[in-house]
Order: sequence, then C-alpha cells, then structure tokens
Amino acid sequence: ELKVEQNPLFLSMQEGKNYTIYCNYSTTSDRLYWYRQDPGKSLESLFVLLSNGAVKQEGRLMASLDTKARLSTLHITAAVHDLSATYFCAVPMRFGAGTRLTVKP
Amino acid sequence: DVKVTQSSRYLVKRTGEKVFLECVQDMDHENMFWYRQDPGLGLRLIYFSYDVKMKEKGDIPEGYSVSREKKERFSLILESASTNQTSMYLCASSFAIYNEQFFGPGTRLTVL
Repeated sequence: ELKVEQNPLFLSMQEGKNYTIYCNYSTTSDRLYWYRQDPGKSLESLFVLLSNGAVKQEGRLMASLDTKARLSTLHITAAVHDLSATYFCAVPMRFGAGTRLTVKP
Repeated sequence: DVKVTQSSRYLVKRTGEKVFLECVQDMDHENMFWYRQDPGLGLRLIYFSYDVKMKEKGDIPEGYSVSREKKERFSLILESASTNQTSMYLCASSFAIYNEQFFGPGTRLTVL
C-alpha cells in the first residue's frame, strides 16, 4: 500500500528560526507536490517537484526531492508568523497527514 | 486562474438522507477528484474521473458514488448518509492525471 508520511505532524517555532519538514513515501514516484492550507480554507499548490534532485524556492520556503531515497523536504528559513498553516506533501492522488506549523513571536 | 467551486460550504443532513455534493471547474480540466479530509488523516481519495462518464474508485469509495455527465461538473453522492461520513469534502481538478491539483473551498458536511 502506498503511504506518504510526514513528520513532524505538529511544529511550533519561534520567529526567526529555521526548521525542516520531512516527507517520505513508500513507492516509486517521479513527482511530488507541496500544498499549503490556511485554517478554514482549501489547499493551494506551493511547489511541484518533477525530478530527482529538484529544488524549488519561494520566499522563506525551499522544497527538494530525492526520488531514490523517496524523500522530500520543506525547509523553512527565518520563520515569520505568516507561514503559520498546515503543509501537505503528496504524490499523485495520495497525501500525507499534514504538518501543522505555528510560528510564535 | 483555475477556479473550482463547490455547491455548499456547510451542510447538515440527517442519517439515511441522500446527499449530493456538486463541484464545478472552469478550466476545461480532464480530471476531477473527490477527497475527504479528517484530522490526523490528511486527504483520502474517494473517487476520481478522467473523462465524462468515466470514474475510478479511490481508497475509500464505500458508501459513496459519483456522477460526471459534463466535463466541468463532478458530483459526489452519499446514497444513505451516516454519522461516520461527517467530514470536510474537497473537490479538485487537474489538467493531466498526475499533475498538480487545484482545489475547491470544501464542503463541511455534518450528519446527525
């Protein structure tokens, strides 16, 4: 059974700190997606990673993909309050449980 | 911009009722999806459709059916609603089956 596992599931950070969210998946996939969900809202696409070694950056977020290790990371640099949300990784049609990130002053 | 809309944001139904959730997308996407979202479980795929009148079961199809009579519209049907179907339901669409998906705002369904 294909599984997508994220950790941590809950993350409380102080503003200005760095942290990484990990996403492991159990079967072969050449692509991986990161989505963001704000409370009470739907999911919006953050990153589309389409090949081994792909790295994408948007502001304080950087995502990478290692298809051989079946691992993706979402790195947060110098967190700010606006990044507070739930982040999901997904391979096609299969989502992780989400990481709820809270950034505190 | 892709726009995916869902017929209701909030819905309250009684056990045993037949429930219709509707989803419409305006970007001519071939593929449409229904998920349910529950705390700690992420999104789980109920059904998807890759063309008009075509459908495939996802991971949790039991108790649900779907209908796609027009390309832009994908309906989720709960034949006889039960309390364990209380959840947030999200519709999505994509250009190709393995592409990124664009989500609607969700319908929070409560079954009493």
